[in-house]
Amino acid sequence: DADVTQTPRNRITKTGKRIMLECSQTKGHDRMYWYRQDPGLGLRLIYYSFDVKDINKGEISDGYSVSRQAQAKFSLSLESAIPNQTALYFCATSDPRLSDRGFLGYTFGSGTRLTVV
Amino acid sequence: QKEVEQNSGPLSVPEGAIASLNCTYSDRVSQSFFWYRQYSGKSPELIMSIYSNGDKEDGRFTAQLNKASQYVSLLIRDSQPSDSATYLCAVNSDNYGQNFVFGPGTRLSVLP
Repeated sequence: DADVTQTPRNRITKTGKRIMLECSQTKGHDRMYWYRQDPGLGLRLIYYSFDVKDINKGEISDGYSVSRQAQAKFSLSLESAIPNQTALYFCATSDPRLSDRGFLGYTFGSGTRLTVV
Repeated sequence: QKEVEQNSGPLSVPEGAIASLNCTYSDRVSQSFFWYRQYSGKSPELIMSIYSNGDKEDGRFTAQLNKASQYVSLLIRDSQPSDSATYLCAVNSDNYGQNFVFGPGTRLSVLP
């Protein structure tokens, strides 16, 4: 089984609809992140959470909200989807322990391809 | 605005050659540097991390870091068609991952 699981894998929705993307992880990491990826723009941070009671906005949080239901679960919601939210969405986790050199980097989920029509 | 720049490519190399991927970054206090490989439609996969100036080798991969020039590179020796992917450079300036900045990626094509 994958360490970081995202559902659904693909979703087509209509403008104005509410949609939730879900992420669960078995890595035991406290830190979880939501990114979106657009061609030519790279990965951009939407929200991140360092524990169940901690929610932080990233670079592009407008139009999105999140919920950290448990250490292992972090959901991303689009309250009223619009076409420019069409993108590939990734959930990621990171190990709070540091190597002897510093931050260890992210583990990504398999992604959700969202199309808003 | 923290930026990470990469040549978008595509970079085409023949099988068996050395592929050289380059990345520059703007934040001088950056502490850790990563290379991710991403196959089309798949998630990024961490292949190398480097934290200090110099070279770090792992199998066919070598990461090179020059903090004075704000430059990090990835060399892939004996390139294989299976190395064809987009390579993302990522730069971090803290120990928490909240200041992680990705470059747009370089698409590598290894020709049989």
